[in-house]
This record gives sequence, structure tokens and C-alpha cells, in this order.
Amino acid sequence: QKEVEQNSGPLSVPEGAIASLNCTYSDRGSQSFFWYRQYSGKSPELIMFIYSNGDKEDGRFTAQLNKASQYVSLLIRDSQPSDSATYLCAVNSYYSGNTPLVFGKGTRLSVIA
Amino acid sequence: DGGITQSPKYLFRKEGQNVTLSCEQNLNHDAMYWYRQDPGQGLRLIYYSQIVNDFQKGDIAEGYSVSREKKESFPLTVTSAQKNPTAFYLCASSISRTDNTEAFFGQGTRLTVV
Repeated sequence: QKEVEQNSGPLSVPEGAIASLNCTYSDRGSQSFFWYRQYSGKSPELIMFIYSNGDKEDGRFTAQLNKASQYVSLLIRDSQPSDSATYLCAVNSYYSGNTPLVFGKGTRLSVIA
Repeated sequence: DGGITQSPKYLFRKEGQNVTLSCEQNLNHDAMYWYRQDPGQGLRLIYYSQIVNDFQKGDIAEGYSVSREKKESFPLTVTSAQKNPTAFYLCASSISRTDNTEAFFGQGTRLTVV
């Protein structure tokens, strides 16, 4: 059974701080990794994806991947109250666009103004 | 606008009743998926389809059925055999490319048993 583990939170950070969200996965053969943001009562929306070891930056967001440690993280710089949401980590075991993602249970982030 | 449309947004089911959730996409995506989300939980895979007229069971397929007669449509039926159907149902789609593997979601259907 392929598993994706996340701390459920809530993770509380003050406005302007860096929020660090972590995720581990069990399938060593996993190829692609995604972070989705989900506001309460809404559907998930894609924030970042990463395929290679290292860091990938997009605006205030940085995804970090370490395949040897089976670990992926999301850093949010200059956190804003609008970043308060649940962040879902998702993993695809195949480098192919038509296989289902396996999701973690999500980490709830609260940014305090 | 391209996207994934789920309907209805809210659905109420009586005990012993079958209900069908609609999912339509105009993104020309090959693969479509149904996930279920319970409060405080992640997404669990119900069924998925990689091509027309073919689909596979996910982790929690019991009590559900699907069809994929058209590329654009992947309806989900929640049958009376599903004993605890109250949940948030999410439909997603993705394209069959090796450089673009993310899934895009519809707005969801919230099903409640009354």
C-alpha cells in the first residue's frame, strides 16, 4: 500500500514568517510530487510540482525534494492570512500523466495577522 | 473556458436510493478520476479511467459504479450498497503526457444522506 504522510497540524505561523510543510512517502519508485492548496469547502488547486531532487521556486513558494530520504517539503515565504488553508501533498508513482495521484491527509496552516 | 464541471454542487440522498454525480471536462484529457474526501481526511481514490470504455477500481470502490462512454464524461453512481456515502466527492482529470502529470479538479459535489 503506497502511503503519503503529513502532519495534520494545525501549523500556526505569524504573518510575514516562513511556513514549512513536510511530507514523506513510502514508495521509493515515486516519480512526481505535487502540492495542492485546499480552502475549506472548496476543491484542491495545484500550487507546485517537482520531479527532480533539489529546490524549485515559484514566487513565495519553494518545493524541496529529497528522493533518497523520500521527503518532500513546501516553504511559504512572507506568509499571508490568505495562505491559511489545508495543504495536500500528492505523489505519482509513474512518470505518466494518466495514473492516479496518492494524497496525504493534509496539513492545516493558519497564518495569524 | 476549459475546465471540469461537476453537478450538482449539493445532493441529498434518501436511505436505499441510488444517485448519480456528473463530471464533464472539456480539456481533452485522457484520464479521469473520482476521489472521496471525509472531514479532516485526505482524498481517497474510488475509480479511475485512462481511456474511453475502460476503468479501474481504486482503494474504496465498493458501493460505487462508473461508466466512461465518452472522453468528456465520467459519471459516478453511489448505490444503496454504499453504507456511509455522506462525503465530499471530487472529480479530476489529467493528460497523458510524461512532462505534465498533475491532476485538475472540479468544484466538488457534497452528498448528504437524509
